[in-house]
Amino acid sequence: QKEVEQNSGPLSVPEGAIASLNCTYSDRGSQSFFWYRQYSGKSPELIMSIYSNGDKEDGRFTAQLNKASQYVSLLIRDSQPSDSATYLCAVILYSGAGSYQLTFGKGTKLSVIP
Amino acid sequence: DTAVSQTPKYLVTQMGNDKSIKCEQNLGHDTMYWYKQDSKKFLKIMFSYNNKELIINETVPNRFSPKSPDKAHLNLHINSLELGDSAVYFCASSQEGAAGVYNEQFFGPGTRLTVL
Repeated sequence: QKEVEQNSGPLSVPEGAIASLNCTYSDRGSQSFFWYRQYSGKSPELIMSIYSNGDKEDGRFTAQLNKASQYVSLLIRDSQPSDSATYLCAVILYSGAGSYQLTFGKGTKLSVIP
Repeated sequence: DTAVSQTPKYLVTQMGNDKSIKCEQNLGHDTMYWYKQDSKKFLKIMFSYNNKELIINETVPNRFSPKSPDKAHLNLHINSLELGDSAVYFCASSQEGAAGVYNEQFFGPGTRLTVL
């Protein structure tokens, strides 16, 4: 079964620390990977997309992709209380009959402690 | 400007009723989606639709049907509502990418459906 796995947390980090969020996926052929942030009662908001092995940096956020290990991670540097949210890993997985679907993990809840 | 919008934001209805949720995107995207987020916050795709094909998640009951009057709109119709349909429903859109590459999806604000 095609899956995206995340540690549900909660993950608590002190303000100013680095938060590390991890995700594994089951489809070795996947090519498109995304991190979304979802505040309570709000819709998912795209933070990063990554398509190639290695690191991709955008401000305080760094996405890391290792296709051989089927692993994608998100690092948040200088964590702020406003970063407290649920972080959703999403991967395009093959869903059969020539079609692909964006499949979400169950999310990791991050709490940044002032 | 709202990129992906949904109406209504909240919908409370009785079991057995038929209801619709509307979605519009002004991003010029060619693919739209409906997702369901249950009480455990698990986000799962229900449909994806572009002008070429409708892809239905096999677990979605046939009481649910998407209707697309044009490229910018994808409405969700639900017949004979059941208690288990209570959830938050999100519409999303994306632009089809090159072969093998899938672009980001952008989500609407969600519709919280409560079935009594």
